[in-house]
Amino acid sequence: DTGVSQDPRHKITKRGQNVTFRCDPISEHNRLYWYRQTLGQGPEFLTYFQNEAQLEKSRLLSDRFSAERPKGSFSTLEIQRTEQGDSAMYLCASSLIERTDTQYFGPGTRLTVL
Amino acid sequence: RKEVEQDPGPFNVPEGATVAFNCTYSNSASQSFFWYRQDCRKEPKLLMSVYSSGNEDGRFTAQLNRASQYISLLIRDSKLSDSATYLCVVNPRGGKLIFGQGTELSVKP
Repeated sequence: DTGVSQDPRHKITKRGQNVTFRCDPISEHNRLYWYRQTLGQGPEFLTYFQNEAQLEKSRLLSDRFSAERPKGSFSTLEIQRTEQGDSAMYLCASSLIERTDTQYFGPGTRLTVL
Repeated sequence: RKEVEQDPGPFNVPEGATVAFNCTYSNSASQSFFWYRQDCRKEPKLLMSVYSSGNEDGRFTAQLNRASQYISLLIRDSKLSDSATYLCVVNPRGGKLIFGQGTELSVKP
């Protein structure tokens, strides 16, 4: 399977715990995006990388959230001191720089904070 | 005001019906426009791009009116398999996608 993969697919955690999600983009894609989707809403942009550089962060990305893409390949999204409001589907997408309007999404990581 | 607004529905239609979804966007500088489809508990997938001249892909027709900042999607002869949430998506400069809330479609036998 050469699509975008995400791990884990599901995560249940207690409030106050830290969680980390991983995204592996399509191998030749140099852009990687993170989005968050809550029930009944469309995905909301969080941040994106071009290679290893983080180029834009949404105001939604509070200081409890951090994302990295250390070698320009896979990316991690960490949430510290989780809150119940963090419960959502976290979606990763990737694209080529010259085709940023064509983004391929992974299956998402569904986070439940108890 | 949200950047991309859609009627959330749900739209409940019988098989064979024609259904139309509408969407408005607020950023007049937006450059590209799309409709994505999202099945229940799955990731969004690109359905089609939307061009000012209008474009068609089989039973699906998309239209863009830049002056009114309005996007539409028409589905003809709807099938049971068309049941999904349809997301209106705008790409302003910079690469990120801005999604509408999504419109839920349920096609009944």
